Amino acid sequence: EVQLVQSGAEVKKPGESLKISCKGSGYSFTGYWIGWVRQMPGKGLEWMGIIYPGDSDTRYSPSFQGQVTISADKSISTAYLQWSSLKASDTAMYYCARHRTTRDAFDIWGQGTMVTVSS
Amino acid sequence: QSALTQPASVSGSPGQSITISCTGTSSDVGGYNYVSWYQQHPGKAPKLMIYDVSKRPSGVSNRFSGSKSGNTASLTISGLQAEDEADYYCSSYTSSSTWVFGGGTKLTVL
Repeated sequence: EVQLVQSGAEVKKPGESLKISCKGSGYSFTGYWIGWVRQMPGKGLEWMGIIYPGDSDTRYSPSFQGQVTISADKSISTAYLQWSSLKASDTAMYYCARHRTTRDAFDIWGQGTMVTVSS
Repeated sequence: QSALTQPASVSGSPGQSITISCTGTSSDVGGYNYVSWYQQHPGKAPKLMIYDVSKRPSGVSNRFSGSKSGNTASLTISGLQAEDEADYYCSSYTSSSTWVFGGGTKLTVL
């Protein structure tokens, strides 16, 4: 079965760092792009960026460039989304999803990771 | 990159058809045939319903169809069923080689 399994919910304080993960299985991890999507509480979906684990080619939405870092470790079929200094406004559900090429839709989604940033 | 424009809500009775619009620009919806639609039930991850404007993934009911005219894409759901009640999001590839989502539409089945 093709699936993306994300790491569990996180509760952090402002200024702390965080790295959440997305592990792919059931398919060739290096043959698909992995993207990250933010959904703030009660709000819509926002495209953050994507990475091609095969060569680590990474692209960011202008809204998220410099705010987060997307990376991948193809040896363990896992992609990551990282913050160096969290803000309360980073509180959201974060989904990973895969697509075959940059022009393809996201066909498989992870279950989501809830990140709560509060003092 | 501005979000694509969708109506905040639509509604219909069981058995009826509804259409959700998604308006962008020539730099996204109008410029490419890479528009997709996602269904999201409360507390769940989004699910791909339509890709490349009008193609359905395996397993998606043929009651769901997509189309595009100019800078506006549309999702039509025919024979509405209670299980169709959800949020729907459009998404388009853009001239910046990124993707943009619409603001989402809440579908209520009366």
